[in-house]
Amino acid sequence: EVQLVESGGDLVQPGGSLRLSCAASGFTFSTYWMSWVRQAPGKGLEWVANIKPDGGEQYYIDSVKGRFTISRDNAKNSMYLQMNSLRAEDTAVYYCARDARGRVDDYWGQGTLVTVSS
Amino acid sequence: QSALTQPASVSGSPGQWITISCTGTSSDIGAFNFVSWYQQQSGKVPKLLIYDVNKRPSGVSNRFSGSKSGNTASLTISGLQAEDEADYHCSSYTIRSTLVFGGGTKLAVL
Repeated sequence: EVQLVESGGDLVQPGGSLRLSCAASGFTFSTYWMSWVRQAPGKGLEWVANIKPDGGEQYYIDSVKGRFTISRDNAKNSMYLQMNSLRAEDTAVYYCARDARGRVDDYWGQGTLVTVSS
Repeated sequence: QSALTQPASVSGSPGQWITISCTGTSSDIGAFNFVSWYQQQSGKVPKLLIYDVNKRPSGVSNRFSGSKSGNTASLTISGLQAEDEADYHCSSYTIRSTLVFGGGTKLAVL
């Protein structure tokens, strides 16, 4: 059974940093693109970033470029999102998800809440 | 990188059919047949309903169907049921190798 478990969400002040983790199991992690998707309170889904199976390519939404870095460790079946220079508008539940061709597939974690506030 | 445009809300009565539109541009919906739809019930994780414009994953009811014309995709739900009350999100692959979601549509079953 595919399982994705996020961790690392917290309350952080504007300008602060946070590192999210996603632990994967139940599938061959090293062969799949993976994404981070976020959802602000009461809002729609927003795709944030994804990463190629070997970690050699990453793509980001414009609003996080230069502030967020997606990475993975295939030996640990884990993906990460390093978030720097956090802003109030980054407040959201962050989901880890497995990709398929041209989409986020039907495998999502339960999400981890990031709150950016003073 | 603008979000795809969806109506904020739609409603229908049990047994009826409804359609939710999702409008993008020639850089996303119009460029590829990689449109997906997700159902998100209150407090839950999104569930994939439709992928590649009109394909249903195993286990998804055939009451759900998808289509696309130009830069606009549509999700149709027929034989509306109370359990269909949820938020629906569309998504598309883009020419920048990114993904983009719509703002979400709240479906009320009256």
